[in-house]
Amino acid sequence: GQSLEQPSEVTAVEGAIVQINCTYQTSGFYGLSWYQQHDGGAPTFLSYNALDGLEETGRFSSFLSRSDSYGYLLLQELQMKDSASYFCAVRDSGSARQLTFGSGTQLTVLP
Amino acid sequence: KAGVTQTPRYLIKTRGQQVTLSCSPISGHRSVSWYQQTPGQGLQFLFEYFSETQRNKGNFPGRFSGRQFSNSRSEMNVSTLELGDSALYLCASSPRTVNYGYTFGSGTRLTVV
Repeated sequence: GQSLEQPSEVTAVEGAIVQINCTYQTSGFYGLSWYQQHDGGAPTFLSYNALDGLEETGRFSSFLSRSDSYGYLLLQELQMKDSASYFCAVRDSGSARQLTFGSGTQLTVLP
Repeated sequence: KAGVTQTPRYLIKTRGQQVTLSCSPISGHRSVSWYQQTPGQGLQFLFEYFSETQRNKGNFPGRFSGRQFSNSRSEMNVSTLELGDSALYLCASSPRTVNYGYTFGSGTRLTVV
């Protein structure tokens, strides 16, 4: 099975940079993805790392290191609207092939 | 382009009843997945359908079932509701069975009393 660990809460100020880590235990997976969810809203896909390294999409970047079983989401130039929950997720490459989410990190951006 | 539509948005049911939730994926998307979200357990995978066939199933009891129609619309059914079934049920669609990039609906908030 899959297990993903994330910090439960992170707080930062507007304009700052914040990194949300995700460590995982898995027998095999296709890649690491990240989703954002505002209170009461739908999760929104942010980024995906199929291979090791950094992927950049605007203010958001995501990193994966399979050898370290570790990934992170980097948010730059934080804005108040970035206050939300962030989830990492992996898809099992075995027979189950289910998508497993981390428990989520609540990011609070302060003025 | 319309997004993923889930109905109803809110639902209150009594323990022991059954419930059916509906999901209309983005036009052209043939893969639909269902998730249960609770404060304690986070996002848990229920099942995934592609071209009317269940492709994967999560670790939920048989009371949870689903189906997909030829137009890719999907329904999930929960029978003999328990208090612990209270949750936000989310549906996600994609054009094919992929590993990332799902588009989620806003969910159905089910409360079991």
